[in-house]
Amino acid sequence: NAGVTQTPKFRVLKTGQSMTLLCAQDMNHEYMYWYRQDPGMGLRLIHYSVGEGTTAKGEVPDGYNVSRLKKQNFLLGLESAAPSQTSVYFCASSYSRQSVRGADGYTFGSGTRLTVV
Amino acid sequence: ELKVEQNPLFLSMQEGKNYTIYCNYSTTSDRLYWYRQDPGKSLESLFVLLSNGAVKQEGRLMASLDTKARLSTLHITAAVHDLSATYFCAVRGGSQGNLIFGKGTKLSVKP
Repeated sequence: NAGVTQTPKFRVLKTGQSMTLLCAQDMNHEYMYWYRQDPGMGLRLIHYSVGEGTTAKGEVPDGYNVSRLKKQNFLLGLESAAPSQTSVYFCASSYSRQSVRGADGYTFGSGTRLTVV
Repeated sequence: ELKVEQNPLFLSMQEGKNYTIYCNYSTTSDRLYWYRQDPGKSLESLFVLLSNGAVKQEGRLMASLDTKARLSTLHITAAVHDLSATYFCAVRGGSQGNLIFGKGTKLSVKP
C-alpha cells in the first residue's frame, strides 16, 4: 500500500498565483486533513473532511479552499498565494473517531514544501 | 478550546543520559499520541495511549499517560544519536475528533 501520497513535493509560486495540492490515500479512510507546519508553531489544521463531499474549516482556513469529490482524494487550493503561505503542508488521513481502528491515529503524507515569493 | 503544551521545546542531550519530555493538555481527552519527525521528513507514529495509567515502551522510549493530571511523558533512556528528531504529542479533542498538536520538542543527542 502506498498510504498517503502528496503531490507535488516542492513548489515555488509567485505572489498572486494559484495552485492545487493533491492528497491521495488508499487505506479507505473516512477522514482526511490538511495541516501546515511552520517553525515554532507545530502543526495547525487548515481544513478537514469527514467523508466524501464534506469539508470543514480548521484553525487557520483563510486563504485556502478544499474539495473532497472522491473518498480517496483531498485537494487543497490556494487561489491567490501570499508570502505568508510559505510553509510545509501535510496531508493526513484516519478512520472515523467512532471506529476502534481510529485508535491508530493519523497516517501522514510526506509533505509539500511551498515557497511563495 | 483544547490546548496542548510541550516542554521543553528544545533539548540537547549527551549520549547515555536520561531525560523526559512533558505534554500537558487543557481539557479531557480519551487519546494521546506521540509522533516523531526527522528533519525534512513526515511524521511517524510512535505511541497511542488510550487510558489512564497507560504505559508503552519501544526501545529507549517510554510513554505514559495520566488523564487526571492531563499529562503525558515521553522518557528517553540512555539516549543515542539516532534518537535526534522532533517529537510531537497530539491529543484528540477537535469538534470532529481531530488531533491537536503540541509545538514539538526538538531533541539533539550529542556524542
